[in-house]
Amino acid sequence: NAGVTQTPKFQVLKTGQSMTLQCAQDMNHEYMSWYRQDPGMGLRLIHYSVGAGITDQGEVPNGYNVSRSTTEDFPLRLLSAAPSQTSVYFCASSYSPGRGNTIYFGEGSWLTVV
Amino acid sequence: EDKVVQSPLSLVVHEGDTVTLNCSYEVTNFRSLLWYKQEKKAPTFLFMLTSSGIEKKSGRLSSILDKKELSSILNITATQTGDSAIYLCALPGGGSNYKLTFGKGTLLTVNP
Repeated sequence: NAGVTQTPKFQVLKTGQSMTLQCAQDMNHEYMSWYRQDPGMGLRLIHYSVGAGITDQGEVPNGYNVSRSTTEDFPLRLLSAAPSQTSVYFCASSYSPGRGNTIYFGEGSWLTVV
Repeated sequence: EDKVVQSPLSLVVHEGDTVTLNCSYEVTNFRSLLWYKQEKKAPTFLFMLTSSGIEKKSGRLSSILDKKELSSILNITATQTGDSAIYLCALPGGGSNYKLTFGKGTLLTVNP
């Protein structure tokens, strides 16, 4: 019973490099999302998807791309990493985020951009 | 634009104290209010509140929603060092029920 799996857990990038944070869930959830968390800022929504083939922007989408080709996977791409993207990233999935007790978070990905 | 404001941003107490954390909000089409606890990794769900005045309880933790005042409180009685964490308040909003807006969180430190 894997739940929400994020990889990698830790990553150091140089400014300008690109990378992809992987997120996979095995619960057949329609809704998936990516958040970033910075000290004292809570969690801020980057992008979300309400089903395969459907994505939309959240509060802080600049510098990130997403796609949802399957129900299970929702990768987050950093196009040209910047130090401002140093953060902890959480992937989440649920049947419906309004039902809070069914929102599942991944363990987080710690990203440092130097 | 939906807003969730938590206070205080940080709090230091001694074991055995009772604490009250606050969450106020402005969202379109209120559906529910969620409380999470975060200890150095992913947030874990505590409560979901949908109706005003109804108290949700789990052990030493309890929470009440006041829809008239657009706010909620999270109470922790007889605090323990294991209660040290960031407590997050979140609401689905944006008119779509698919976007969670989080407050900045309250960092609670419980000293022995």
